Amino acid sequence: AQKVTQAQTEISVVEKEDVTLDCVYETRDTTYYLFWYKQPPSGELVFLIRRNSFDEQNEISGRYSWNFQKSTSSFNFTITASQVVDSAVYFCALSEGTTSGTYKYIFGTGTRLKVLA
Amino acid sequence: DTEVTQTPKHLVMGMTNKKSLKCEQHMGHRAMYWYKQKAKKPPELMFVYSYEKLSINESVPSRFSPECPNSSLLNLHLHALQPEDSALYLCASSQVNRGGEKLFFGSGTQLSVL
Repeated sequence: AQKVTQAQTEISVVEKEDVTLDCVYETRDTTYYLFWYKQPPSGELVFLIRRNSFDEQNEISGRYSWNFQKSTSSFNFTITASQVVDSAVYFCALSEGTTSGTYKYIFGTGTRLKVLA
Repeated sequence: DTEVTQTPKHLVMGMTNKKSLKCEQHMGHRAMYWYKQKAKKPPELMFVYSYEKLSINESVPSRFSPECPNSSLLNLHLHALQPEDSALYLCASSQVNRGGEKLFFGSGTQLSVL
């Protein structure tokens, strides 16, 4: 069955430190999509990145970077020079097709990141 | 306008009450979703609507009744809820329901059942 594992429940770092959030997934599909979402205390999940299974190119967006490795079924997320505003819960997710042809997300359990000033 | 708006933001209800949660988007999205999120847990899918038709019901108890009156609106009708139903209810939308579509989330309704 499809599964997303975020082994780190909570991470605390001091501002300006780099931090990596781990995500490991399981799927039988050859075509799949992986996502990262951020959930600040306000509650709204905010989309950060999407990656399809055929694109293993790493991506950098400002202080954020993502490392996708199919060989290890991992899609890790690094924040460089962390800031207090990065404090949030981060969810990794996998898009799964159903037998009826619809799609749904499988969310990991989330990693709570606390950035201390 | 890239917002999903949910009302009310907070709701307290008794176990015999009937209430409704409302969700609205004006991005022209044709897929809308209800999720339930307990504290310190990931969102759990409840329902998916695709082109105003219910396409996924994740075996949700009948005391939760979804409704999609048009492509911009999604309601969740609540009746005879239990205290364990207290949670954050999140609405989301996507252009269509297809692999790889990103979800746009509202900020949720924090529901407390007494």
